[in-house]
Amino acid sequence: EADIYQTPRYLVIGTGKKITLECSQTMGHDKMYWYQQDPGMELHLIHYSYGVNSTEKGDLSSESTVSRIRTEHFPLTLESARPSHTSQYLCASSEYGQGHLHFGNGTRLTVT
Amino acid sequence: GESVGLHLPTLSVQEGDNSIINCAYSNSASDYFIWYKQESGKGPQFIIDIRSNMDKRQGQRVTVLLNKTVKHLSLQIAATQPGDSAVYFCAENMIGGGADGLTFGKGTHLIIQP
Repeated sequence: EADIYQTPRYLVIGTGKKITLECSQTMGHDKMYWYQQDPGMELHLIHYSYGVNSTEKGDLSSESTVSRIRTEHFPLTLESARPSHTSQYLCASSEYGQGHLHFGNGTRLTVT
Repeated sequence: GESVGLHLPTLSVQEGDNSIINCAYSNSASDYFIWYKQESGKGPQFIIDIRSNMDKRQGQRVTVLLNKTVKHLSLQIAATQPGDSAVYFCAENMIGGGADGLTFGKGTHLIIQP
């Protein structure tokens, strides 16, 4: 079982609110990722990081931002949430040279 | 664009039967393939992987088959159990490409009939 934790598990907020989704891993992995997933659908990469102070945008355009100040922590922030942001957000990590990912259990976000 | 896809969005099998979940990929340069299992309310969990220099790889109750000629990948689950009920995703990558190069398919929901 991977040691990667996401909080909150569920979040319902109103339009225009600023939110931060938390992700932490205790495996010492340098690489971390954020994916967006609608129920039962494929995963889309929105952000990733190769290590501290490294952040990159993924394939799917996103209005969110990320930061990587510590190896174990990779929070995702939405400055002004909109209903179109309603989705599940999955955080993952991997070791260098490892082609597969360890996932957290996700945050299910609903913006009303 | 290139993508990884699964043939069926839903597969229903009887408990105890074998399940076969299929996936077609289109990127000929991909040489590393992974199957993930995602249970309801959880993140995807790694099941098994295979490199392109292999045609078959077996794990505990699972077997992955790779046919590079037709760019087809399958996951076989032996003696399906209720705990196998989940959405299964295939993903492709290139060896050494890093997990940011992973491309996921749409997923097949495996339903186990009692």
